[in-house]
Amino acid sequence: EPEVTQTPSHQVTQMGQEVILRCVPISNHLYFYWYRQILGQKVEFLVSFYNNEISEKSEIFDDQFSVERPDGSNFTLKIRSTKLEDSAMYFCASSELDSHDQPQHFGDGTRLSIL
Amino acid sequence: AQSVTQLGSHVSVSEGALVLLRCNYSSSVPPYLFWYVQYPNQGLQLLLKYTTGATLVKGINGFEAEFKKSETSFHLTKPSAHMSDAAEYFCAVMSYMDTGRRALTFGSGTRLQVQP
Repeated sequence: EPEVTQTPSHQVTQMGQEVILRCVPISNHLYFYWYRQILGQKVEFLVSFYNNEISEKSEIFDDQFSVERPDGSNFTLKIRSTKLEDSAMYFCASSELDSHDQPQHFGDGTRLSIL
Repeated sequence: AQSVTQLGSHVSVSEGALVLLRCNYSSSVPPYLFWYVQYPNQGLQLLLKYTTGATLVKGINGFEAEFKKSETSFHLTKPSAHMSDAAEYFCAVMSYMDTGRRALTFGSGTRLQVQP
């Protein structure tokens, strides 16, 4: 069964540095998402992306964050000037359609640790 | 706005016992509800979903959930727990943003422990 893949599985970065989290969505999917899960807290929606532009973003997704689809397969989340509170598990998801009966398929996540 | 409440952050059952994980939702529109499971160091895997139609939905690994509109609930059950069911379970509702786009709103999760 096709999967969403995320790399790296764990990223350790010094505070203030930039990080890029990478995702390869399922090949025929058109809608892409990033979610975040701070340790012990809920999974939170960050951003959705379609047709090479952001469809929706939460209040968490401020100017520190950006997303990009640099080629036909990768979907990246960039976090500039990282802060301690950015430490979390980041999940990428994709869906074939933006429809209520089309589930979002999640990757295994990237654990981001900011030191 | 939609929201999800999962009662009980930790649930412990014996192997072979009934599993019941509770989920209540709040939604101003007909809800689309999902249960995801997260095994240690893994991502979120879809267990089952309710969109329309039959209110009792069956998912993978023997789990099922029943949508009860009158109770605004979508509890997850399994008749007989297995050791491999130990994981964190998340209930989610499809939320509608101002633009009409959709995103998942998750509950806080319930960690299921299965005792031998």
